[in-house]
Parts: sequence; structure tokens; C-alpha cells
Amino acid sequence: SQQGEEDPQALSIQEGENATMNCSYKTSINNLQWYRQNSGRGLVHLILIRSNEREKHSGRLRVTLDTSKKSSSLLITASRAADTASYFCATDVSGANSKLTFGKGITLSVRP
Amino acid sequence: DTEVTQTPKHLVMGMTNKKSLKCEQHMGHRAMYWYKQKAKKPPELMFVYSYEKLSINESVPSRFSPECPNSSLLNLHLHALQPEDSALYLCASSQEGWPGRETQYFGPGTRLLVL
Repeated sequence: SQQGEEDPQALSIQEGENATMNCSYKTSINNLQWYRQNSGRGLVHLILIRSNEREKHSGRLRVTLDTSKKSSSLLITASRAADTASYFCATDVSGANSKLTFGKGITLSVRP
Repeated sequence: DTEVTQTPKHLVMGMTNKKSLKCEQHMGHRAMYWYKQKAKKPPELMFVYSYEKLSINESVPSRFSPECPNSSLLNLHLHALQPEDSALYLCASSQEGWPGRETQYFGPGTRLLVL
């Protein structure tokens, strides 16, 4: 069963605008990761944020984590057409034998 | 070298065929994974090998048989598959063998069609 649920399921924006994607999860986590997948290809890791961190940046990406609300957001600033992809949050549930569980994903379309 | 390679890129097989998917990484990673991804769905974990030993099997049908010959190679042997097994099969690896706690590096996938 999926641990993370992204919101919205699809997002369409103009090039240059910012894109904000949200992920909610149900149980305590050790960390949360965001991945990108271009159509029909492998996933690319974007950012890993640990449960004791609140915010991380990587280039045009900003990720926040609110463990009290069990939610995370991914902000892509100054979007480009090349950012068009599916974005997944993935969580590692606290406890033994941890594994990465992916949310349903968000489809981002950036119009030139 | 930060690349995970997978062969073949595409595979079409009949339900009576036996085929294998191959995955290779040269990053010195100690954990390797197989995921299955259906169209417009998230990847679903199938198997995890940690330090060359099978550590997680997500109740995958026996017609899928993983093999880890060494720390750089991961195979998925396919036999008597069903049409519903058609999907993108993704291989991934991570550094220390903690499946949920590390960045995973994915290959480009093998797109499998079962007729």
C-alpha cells in the first residue's frame, strides 16, 4: 500500500512560473525523498530530507518537511520545459526492514 | 561512474518463453533492487538484495526469479509470464544496503511485453 500521497495529481504551468507539489504520508518516517521520472524512463533522485530536518535546497529545488502534519512540499522555482516529468515522493517507514515506498506521483507539464 | 545499466531495453516474450533481465552497477553499492512499474503508476518493489543476499521478497510470484551473481550484477529470470506482467522493470542500487534510508540510483528500465 502507498504511504505517500501527492497533491495535486497533475499540474500544468507556464515556463518561468514556480511549481509546488505536496506529499502527505500516514506513519512516522526516517526520511522522505523526491524523485523525478521522465516519460518511460528511470527515476532520478532529487532530494532526501531526514525526519529531523525542516528544509533543504538543491539548485532550483526547495523541499520542506513538517513531521507534525506528516507532509512535505517540493518547490521548483523558475520552471523550464525540461522540468516536465512525473514527480514521486517516497518514504522510509520507521522500523525494521525499512524499504522505500513511493506515492502515486504528480504529472507536471511546463508549457514553453 | 554513477550509472546503472539495464539490458535489454525492450523485450517481447510469449507466455511459454524463458528470458532474463540484466542489471549492472559499478558504483560499489551493496544493495540492489528490482521494481515493477505499470503505466501511470508508481514503482512497486519486488526484491532487494543486500550484500548479495536476498533480504526482501515482496511476495512476488515464483515465475519471477532473482539472482545476484556478485555485488555488481543483478538478474531477473522470467518464466511462464502472464500478459498482466507486461510493465517497465526498473533496477536500482544504493550504497550501504539500507533500502529505505539511502538515495537509490535507477537504471533506465526494461520495457517488457508478454503476449
